[in-house]
Amino acid sequence: KAGVTQTPRYLIKTRGQQVTLSCSPISGHRSVSWYQQTPGQGLQFLFEYFSETQRNKGNFPGRFSGRQFSNSRSEMNVSTLELGDSALYLCASSRGSGSPLHFGNGTRLTVT
Amino acid sequence: AQTVTQSQPEMSVQEAETVTLSCTYDTSESDYYLFWYKQPPSRQMILVIRQEAYKQQNATENRFSVNFQKAAKSFSLKISDSQLGDAAMYFCAYGSYAGGTSYGKLTFGQGTILTVHP
Repeated sequence: KAGVTQTPRYLIKTRGQQVTLSCSPISGHRSVSWYQQTPGQGLQFLFEYFSETQRNKGNFPGRFSGRQFSNSRSEMNVSTLELGDSALYLCASSRGSGSPLHFGNGTRLTVT
Repeated sequence: AQTVTQSQPEMSVQEAETVTLSCTYDTSESDYYLFWYKQPPSRQMILVIRQEAYKQQNATENRFSVNFQKAAKSFSLKISDSQLGDAAMYFCAYGSYAGGTSYGKLTFGQGTILTVHP
């Protein structure tokens, strides 16, 4: 069974640009969550989607947005990039309540 | 809001020995899940073990076991017979049960880097 797939693995963007990250969950998993990992702040929850609906949102500015498609694939968008957005962005999927999160390998975003 | 604290930024252990990683959390909820995840240099977060708060019995997975003390809000991970492949960053995480409707939002501790010496 294929795991959670995140693309791209590495991304370099310039301040002010926007970026879209993609996540394909494990087949059958309807919940997709996104996390930001930085050395200073650690792992922070961004948002969770379940059956195309945002179910939870973390404490991030509106520049961070996401969506989920009918096939459960999810995208995360960051607009007007700032240097502080440089981080590892992790996507995780699960079947839903009671089942564990399975993480992808992450997308390393560098903002210059 | 829930918080998770890992007070050991780094730990080391000799191969084949036992090591315990500490984790405490703060919550006002009675129903929740606790996890230990491992993140090797490859970056992928790997589930090590899971504990449901309503279960009094401590979870075990092969060489990994937890000491769950609900009243003390403590959740430590014991790794027995440590192997070189256990070297990684270990994260303790809290997840609300919320009636079983939401599971994707976890609160993570700051992590403990585990070094295994041959």
